[in-house]
Amino acid sequence: DQQVKQNSPSLSVQEGRISILNCDYTNSMFDYFLWYKKYPAEGPTFLISISSIKDKNEDGRFTVFLNKSAKHLSLHIVPSQPGDSAVYFCAAMWGTSYGKLTFGQGTILTVHP
Amino acid sequence: GAVVSQHPSWVICKSGTSVKIECRSLDFQATTMFWYRQFPKQSLMLMATSNEGSKATYEQGVEKDKFLINHASLTLSTLTVTSAHPEDSSFYICSAHTRNNSPLHFGNGTRLTVT
Repeated sequence: DQQVKQNSPSLSVQEGRISILNCDYTNSMFDYFLWYKKYPAEGPTFLISISSIKDKNEDGRFTVFLNKSAKHLSLHIVPSQPGDSAVYFCAAMWGTSYGKLTFGQGTILTVHP
Repeated sequence: GAVVSQHPSWVICKSGTSVKIECRSLDFQATTMFWYRQFPKQSLMLMATSNEGSKATYEQGVEKDKFLINHASLTLSTLTVTSAHPEDSSFYICSAHTRNNSPLHFGNGTRLTVT
């Protein structure tokens, strides 16, 4: 039972344009969501997070949007850069099990120069 | 920022042997660390929660006798894969956080190949 889903295995974007990565979840207990960036043979690197009490969080080029009613979140990267090319994972947790993340399958982002 | 170090970064072992993987929090104390596993082209799956000074708690389907976890200090957790088999070949990653409501920081992972 995949509680966190990233339905797009890959995304290709031109440099300078917006990258939008999507994530859906089924467990309404989740109250904290995170996005991680990962390169092969490396651990994930934290990008940005959002609590369920918010619907938007911004950090530089990265913005995460949360739609609780739709159980959907998205990561926007503007402007996209070639160095952003990596696998992006969304992850979720709930407060009483802090640190125990449920990950999506990941989306491979390729930013073309 | 918070750094988590994992060692070794890769290991090859023969079937039936045991392998120990270390996870250290370098500039903070972590009472709790987490061990994840990632098979090729799949997501990261939580294996167990490592608690300093007490027994680890394992996720459903993870054999506690096969994956021994020791969290002997506030900066070190170890995962020992006992009697490894080729199907244990995977990418093992640990993580820790400085306090609740702070992001999890991950080590760089250990690529285990069992021949």
